[in-house]
Amino acid sequence: EAQVTQNPRYLITVTGKKLTVTCSQNMNHEYMSWYRQDPGLGLRQIYYSMNVEVTDKGDVPEGYKVSRKEKRNFPLILESPSPNQTSLYFCASRQGVLGLAGLYEQYFGPGTRLTVT
Amino acid sequence: KNQVEQSPQSLIILEGKNCTLQCNYTVSPFSNLRWYKQDTGRGPVSLTIMTFSENTKSNGRYTATLDADTKQSSLHITASQLSDSASYICVVRNYGGSQGNLIFGKGTKLSVKP
Repeated sequence: EAQVTQNPRYLITVTGKKLTVTCSQNMNHEYMSWYRQDPGLGLRQIYYSMNVEVTDKGDVPEGYKVSRKEKRNFPLILESPSPNQTSLYFCASRQGVLGLAGLYEQYFGPGTRLTVT
Repeated sequence: KNQVEQSPQSLIILEGKNCTLQCNYTVSPFSNLRWYKQDTGRGPVSLTIMTFSENTKSNGRYTATLDADTKQSSLHITASQLSDSASYICVVRNYGGSQGNLIFGKGTKLSVKP
């Protein structure tokens, strides 16, 4: 089954304690990205990766790091979490070649609910 | 500024009734528009994707329309079911750049009551 998986699904941590949220996809997609979703704000992109070893900032990258050492994995790293990073996080993936109309199916993971106290 | 506005913010309907959700956008240059369904605590799932040349697209009981001239889209749900209770997100992709951007609306929360 084609899917994007995230772990953990739920995480409660304290300010300053480094954490990593893993993301893995089994569709051989080149493009992967991370979003956060907050009430009243919708989904906002944190970082994206067009392929292995190629990453770039999205709209809200501050306080986050990512790495793309393998095609299937795209972990999100919070070096020193703060309460304003309490949010619902989604990983997503899609094919890399877009075509003229940019039509592609983007697949989202099930989400990771992070609480930083 | 590229924006996607959805209305209403929330909606409650009775099972079996129809409803229409609205999406207005100011994204330019426009590439395509998509509607996602997001169940509570789950990731969004794509319902439809439309380019500027498509006026209507259906996916079962879901029908999306697009008017590229007025920059409006709607999602019509026919004969609603309890499982339709979810947030519906309108997303517009603007064309250009190395990736193109996805601009997300804030969603409409639909509750279907028995």
